[in-house]
Amino acid sequence: EVQLVESGGGLVQPGGSLRLSCAASGFTFSSYWMSWVRQAPGKGLEWVANIKQDGSEKYYVDSVKGRFTISRDNAKNSLYLQMNSLRAEDTAVYYCARVYYDSSGYNLDPWGQGTLVTVSS
Amino acid sequence: LPVLTQPPSASALLGASIKLTCTLSSEHSTYTIEWYQQRPGRSPQYIMKVKSDGSHSKGDGIPDRFMGSSSGADRYLTFSNLQSDDEAEYHCGESHTIDGQVGWVFGGGTKLTVL
Repeated sequence: EVQLVESGGGLVQPGGSLRLSCAASGFTFSSYWMSWVRQAPGKGLEWVANIKQDGSEKYYVDSVKGRFTISRDNAKNSLYLQMNSLRAEDTAVYYCARVYYDSSGYNLDPWGQGTLVTVSS
Repeated sequence: LPVLTQPPSASALLGASIKLTCTLSSEHSTYTIEWYQQRPGRSPQYIMKVKSDGSHSKGDGIPDRFMGSSSGADRYLTFSNLQSDDEAEYHCGESHTIDGQVGWVFGGGTKLTVL
């Protein structure tokens, strides 16, 4: 079974840091782009970052550029999101998702269960 | 970047049919979008892609009563024989490549209530 399990969320003060992890299983992790997507409480989805199979390309939404870093360890089948200089508006459930590609384009499938990050003093 | 617009809520009776709408910004009216289902307290699940010509490709295990279609800048997700299990938030999303960078934008989501 293809599975993604996030961890590392919690309560952090504004300006603080947190590192999220996503453990992948059931598929060849090193063959896929991976993404982080977040959802603020009661709000819609917001794509955060993508990383290429070998980690050589990384893309971010403008609001997190310079503060967040996506990375991966293919030997450990793991995806990470290092979040620095956290702000209240970063409060959200963070999901990792596999980027799937076929002849009709990209989609995100599957998604992990999510981990909640709360930025508050 | 494309802008995706969804009505915030929709409702229909158990066993009925309903069509949810995702509207692309006019200059992006030919783009392909994806539909995701998010049941209460759960993570999103991929349903299908819908192209501008109305063709669609579903994810694994998605029932036949879920159908996709298009008209102009509108992309639709139609349910037939609505079930209580269909009550969820439905998000449309669009993957794009700009200057070689791949990213996503999402609509605000539509909360579907089954009466």
